[in-house]
Amino acid sequence: AQKITQTQPGMFVQEKEAVTLDCTYDTSDPSYGLFWYKQPSSGEMIFLIYQGSYDQQNATEGRYSLNFQKARKSANLVISASQLGDSAMYFCAMREGPSNDYKLSFGAGTTVTVRA
Amino acid sequence: NAGVTQTPKFQVLKTGQSMTLQCAQDMNHEYMSWYRQDPGMGLRLIHYSVGAGITDQGEVPNGYNVSRSTTEDFPLRLLSAAPSQTSVYFCASSYRQGANQPQHFGDGTRLSIL
Repeated sequence: AQKITQTQPGMFVQEKEAVTLDCTYDTSDPSYGLFWYKQPSSGEMIFLIYQGSYDQQNATEGRYSLNFQKARKSANLVISASQLGDSAMYFCAMREGPSNDYKLSFGAGTTVTVRA
Repeated sequence: NAGVTQTPKFQVLKTGQSMTLQCAQDMNHEYMSWYRQDPGMGLRLIHYSVGAGITDQGEVPNGYNVSRSTTEDFPLRLLSAAPSQTSVYFCASSYRQGANQPQHFGDGTRLSIL
């Protein structure tokens, strides 16, 4: 079964607008972490934001915020005030606890294109 | 700070050839892993190591070998390259303990098998 599902293969967003990238996950482990990575066209993987399964507050990092709905098993990334440099592939990932050796599972990714 | 260093950045092989992709990290991370990235499939785990001398298989281990003789290095070996192994390979590392530890990635190796 797919552990991480990203249903949006590609999205367009106007510069300065906000965009929400969907991510749902599947785990029976009570302890897990959710991560978002950005992969620009140059290819490197850049860590953006983290949300822990026990965190009460939604994570925020600058223009990135995470809409964490634990009961729905979703962890959507919100990018506010989009910039041209935000054009990239975005991956949602989950790291489960010791019973799964802390392995990291990735979704298929969402390509974001920011229009001027 | 070098972080995670992968070599080479690009490589072209013929079917049946062998090669080793190198990965080194200078952050004293216990946990290291190899992924392959194929279009539309995200990153898939090949092998991982939770410390020197300990390795285990991930989701797609067939055709690949690994070893971990030191904390710093985690090479990935292709014993007999096949066209299906054409991909972009990423090495990553992190502290072992805690699901809250982000993995730090190298810049990737783009491998083509003819």
